[in-house]
This record gives sequence, structure tokens and C-alpha cells, in this order.
Amino acid sequence: GAVVSQHPSRVICKSGTSVKIECRSLDFQATTMFWYRQFPKQSLMLMATSNEGSKATYEQGVEKDKFLINHASLTLSTLTVTSAHPEDSSFYICSVIPSGGLADTQYFGPGTRLTVL
Amino acid sequence: AQSVTQLDSQVPVFEEAPVELRCNYSSSVSVYLFWYVQYPNQGLQLLLKYLSGSTLVKGINGFEAEFNKSQTSFHLRKPSVHISDTAEYFCAVNSWAAAGNKLTFGGGTRVLVKP
Repeated sequence: GAVVSQHPSRVICKSGTSVKIECRSLDFQATTMFWYRQFPKQSLMLMATSNEGSKATYEQGVEKDKFLINHASLTLSTLTVTSAHPEDSSFYICSVIPSGGLADTQYFGPGTRLTVL
Repeated sequence: AQSVTQLDSQVPVFEEAPVELRCNYSSSVSVYLFWYVQYPNQGLQLLLKYLSGSTLVKGINGFEAEFNKSQTSFHLRKPSVHISDTAEYFCAVNSWAAAGNKLTFGGGTRVLVKP
């Protein structure tokens, strides 16, 4: 099946630093990628939709300047958590829709656990 | 707007017993429905999906779900669970006409299979 990778799988950083998380589509090109965050024992909450070649679309309540998204190519989207604080500690998951596909063909990455000290 | 409610946050079940995970959704338009499984510290894996056609959908690992439009439900079942089925299960909905490709997830149901 389709493979989506995330890097790093786990990161620990100090408060105030920035952290970049990569989401790569290994088997296909993707014009649309999604970024979710998941707090412990909770569901996935959509943060933003990443569109190749254009600005990301953020969900209500998600700070654009805090969570910078760059979808620079058809196989890579990055999420940068700027000036991270302990409350940003979470599990971040990306998902990918192959170009021309719909929501029923959405593939998820393995997730990145961010811990901010 | 679309929303999903998973009625049980936690379901303990003995090995080889049947299990049912309940999911109800709300949408004003036609929907696609999904069940995903998440093992600890991992991403989501698709178990099954309903797009159209037969209301009984069979998925991987022996799971099946039934779409009931009148009750706006999409309950997940497995006749005999294994220890390896211990995981978090998420129901999700996409009403493409209203939300594009966005998925809305339920709160999740944690299944704990006991020997």
C-alpha cells in the first residue's frame, strides 16, 4: 500500500526553540496534505490543509504564525512549530491524498511525538 | 457541518468474545464513513470504509461495519477478538459536498482485550 513517512518520529526540545516536522509521500504525488494534532487519549484535530504551491488553509483557532506549513513539492510538506512551549507537546500526524484523489484515499503518516521541556 | 460521536470511550472485552463499537454521525448531505485503528505511538490504519452500495462493509482483520442511514450510524463489529486487537479505534466522516476532503473524527474508543 501507499507509504507516508514522517521525520522525526520523536523530538524533545527546549521551550522557545522551533521544531520542523517533515511529511513525505513516498509512493505518489500529493497536491493535498493534512496536519493533525492529537493530545493524549484524545482524538485527532485537524490543524490545517497543506496545498502544494499555495498557502495552507488553517482551521479556526490554529495560529498561522505559530504553526508554519510549507508544501514545497508534490511529495513533501513541513510543519514548523515556532517558539515551542510545553503546551505544544503533542502527537502530530500528517495525512496525504494522492493527486486527483478524494478523502476515501487518504493515507496517514506514523506520527511525530513532540515534547517541549 | 459534520460531526461524529463514538458512544463508548473504552470497551473491555475478553479474548475470543465479540465486540461492537458504536458510531453515530451528523451531516446534512451524503457521507463517506470510515473506521481507523491506531496502535500505541503510531499513525492511523484504515480498517474499512463505506462510500456507497451495500450497507454491510467488510474490512481487514475480520472487522465489519454496517451503515444505517435512518439511524445515522456506522457501528463496527468483530465476532471474535484477539489480544492484538487492543488499540484505539476512530470513526470518521467525510461529507465531501460540504467539507471537501476533510475528515472529522470521533473521540475514539479504546479497546482492551483481556486474556
